[in-house]
Amino acid sequence: KAGVTQTPRYLIKTRGQQVTLSCSPISGHRSVSWYQQTPGQGLQFLFEYFSETQRNKGNFPGRFSGRQFSNSRSEMNVSTLELGDSALYLCASSLPGGGDTQYFGPGTRLTVL
Amino acid sequence: EDQVTQSPEALRLQEGESSSLNCSYTVSGLRGLFWYRQDPGKGPEFLFTLYSAGEEKEKERLKATLTKKESFLHITAPKPEDSATYLCAVQAGNYGGSQGNLIFGKGTKLSVKP
Repeated sequence: KAGVTQTPRYLIKTRGQQVTLSCSPISGHRSVSWYQQTPGQGLQFLFEYFSETQRNKGNFPGRFSGRQFSNSRSEMNVSTLELGDSALYLCASSLPGGGDTQYFGPGTRLTVL
Repeated sequence: EDQVTQSPEALRLQEGESSSLNCSYTVSGLRGLFWYRQDPGKGPEFLFTLYSAGEEKEKERLKATLTKKESFLHITAPKPEDSATYLCAVQAGNYGGSQGNLIFGKGTKLSVKP
């Protein structure tokens, strides 16, 4: 069974630009969550999508947004990039039940110059 | 506030030297506790899920245990390939029908020298 895939794997942007990251979940998984990982803060939850609806949102500014498509694929968008947005962005997929294991993709490394 | 604390931050072992990593948590209703392994530049790799106090799970040289306040990841006779950052995460039970997000600790960076 194929794992979670994320594209692109690496991105370099400049301040003020916007970026879109993509995530394809494991086949059959309908819940997709996004996390930001930085050396200082560790892994922090961004948002979770299930059946094309955002079910849960972390404490990030409105510049961070996402969506999910009918095939469960998800995208996240960051507008007006800041230097502090440089991070590893991780997507995780799971079956929709509470307590189910989240399986992570390889991440997208975003560098903002 | 839901919180996860891992200790130590870093651990250096000789090959074959067994040890334990600690994950203490405070959470309003535990739905699950998860252990992941992360290699540099990669996404976390799932190891174990524990749901209730007293539960134990094993995989090769790793064994995870859970109490009402903490979890331990025991590493028996580690090898250099066990070197990685080990992450602990909890999912709280106060999200109604929602999956709920994972709350991660900062991780323990394990180095095993031959």
